[in-house]
Amino acid sequence: EVQLLESGGGLVQPGGSLRLSCAASGFTFNNYAMNWVRQAPGKGLEWVSLISNGGGDSSYYADSVKGRFTISRDNSKNTVYLQMNSLRAEDTAIYYCARQTTIDYWGQGTLVTVSS
Amino acid sequence: DIVMTQSPLSLPVTLGQPASISCRSSQSLVHSDGNTYVHWFQQRPGQSPRRLIYKVSNRDSGVPDRFSGSGSGTDFTLTISRVEAEDVGVYYCMQATHWPRAFGQGTKLEIK
Repeated sequence: EVQLLESGGGLVQPGGSLRLSCAASGFTFNNYAMNWVRQAPGKGLEWVSLISNGGGDSSYYADSVKGRFTISRDNSKNTVYLQMNSLRAEDTAIYYCARQTTIDYWGQGTLVTVSS
Repeated sequence: DIVMTQSPLSLPVTLGQPASISCRSSQSLVHSDGNTYVHWFQQRPGQSPRRLIYKVSNRDSGVPDRFSGSGSGTDFTLTISRVEAEDVGVYYCMQATHWPRAFGQGTKLEIK
């Protein structure tokens, strides 16, 4: 059974940093690209970032986070990360980890709140 | 960037009746490999999203056959042949042909 378990969310002040993790199980992690998708409170879904499979040499970002967020993966730990720097109030959202380019599986999400 | 426009944004439906959601993109979503990467997701209240349809018209395993997807180029449709109570939630289209990926605004389906 495919499982994606996000962690690392919490309350952070504007301008601060946070690193999210997503632990994957139930499939061959190295074979799949991985995404982060977020959802602000009461709002719709926003794609954030994708990292390619294998060595993870390719990464892509939404314009809203480019230059502030960095996606990475550790295939030995079956984990994908999202390093978030220079956080803003508008980054407040539930952050979901999702598998592959066609987004076939989602995690349960982790809440990030950016507030002073 | 690609803009995905869904309509309607609110969809009250009587149980047992059909429902249809439109999704239009600002550019063609045909990939250079010949595929069209348009997917549909359902998000029930309080839950994570779940994929229903991938690449326009392919139903995911476990998805009832009352759900179907169609379309081409820039116009796509999700159809529910007979709405059931468990279908309440928000439906999103998404394009995965171009960078950056983009979701539609979401369509909230409720029972009339």
